[in-house]
Amino acid sequence: GIQVEQSPPDLILQEGANSTLRCNFSDSVNNLQWFHQNPWGQLINLFYIPSGTKQNGRLSATTVATERYSLLYISSSQTTDSGVYFCAVEGYKLSFGAGTTVTVRA
Amino acid sequence: GAVVSQHPSRVICKSGTSVKIECRSLDFQATTMFWYRQFPKQSLMLMATSNEGSKATYEQGVEKDKFLINHASLTLSTLTVTSAHPEDSSFYICSAWDLYGYTFGSGTRLTVV
Repeated sequence: GIQVEQSPPDLILQEGANSTLRCNFSDSVNNLQWFHQNPWGQLINLFYIPSGTKQNGRLSATTVATERYSLLYISSSQTTDSGVYFCAVEGYKLSFGAGTTVTVRA
Repeated sequence: GAVVSQHPSRVICKSGTSVKIECRSLDFQATTMFWYRQFPKQSLMLMATSNEGSKATYEQGVEKDKFLINHASLTLSTLTVTSAHPEDSSFYICSAWDLYGYTFGSGTRLTVV
């Protein structure tokens, strides 16, 4: 199956800071999504982004499919951004990376 | 956007009993739904793909007789954990695909005592 690697595994930010999360994948994919899992376990779909760049408020994402990586940018971080961010790619099934745990401190 | 509803959100059951978890697509039809399992501090692992009107497809290593899946309608899939044991305690999440990508239910935290 497709291997998905996320970095860094953990990230501690001061409120207001910017950050970049990375997702590398091992093969061509049909779909790539970024999710945020909140402390209650709910997975929120942030971006459906098999290629190109998208922005939604303080979050943006870029996927370079030819180089098999995607980046998630968080700007002006807030405490509510805390949680685990997962990258998931679809070959024949949706495969998740191990996630990046983000902690934003006030 | 699409909404997937999952119930119950939390369940505690005695060892040896069975537990049923429901997953509903509220505003769209889902011919296919997916069931995942997540251990603490770990990622999501696909357990099985639920197909409306046909048998589910299980991932390698998942016991079909322990994790029974029924997808009886275009909006409902159920996962039944049979003869549950403490090692089945976990967070179970369902999902479905719509035009905007995969949407996930809120998950069910199962504790077997």
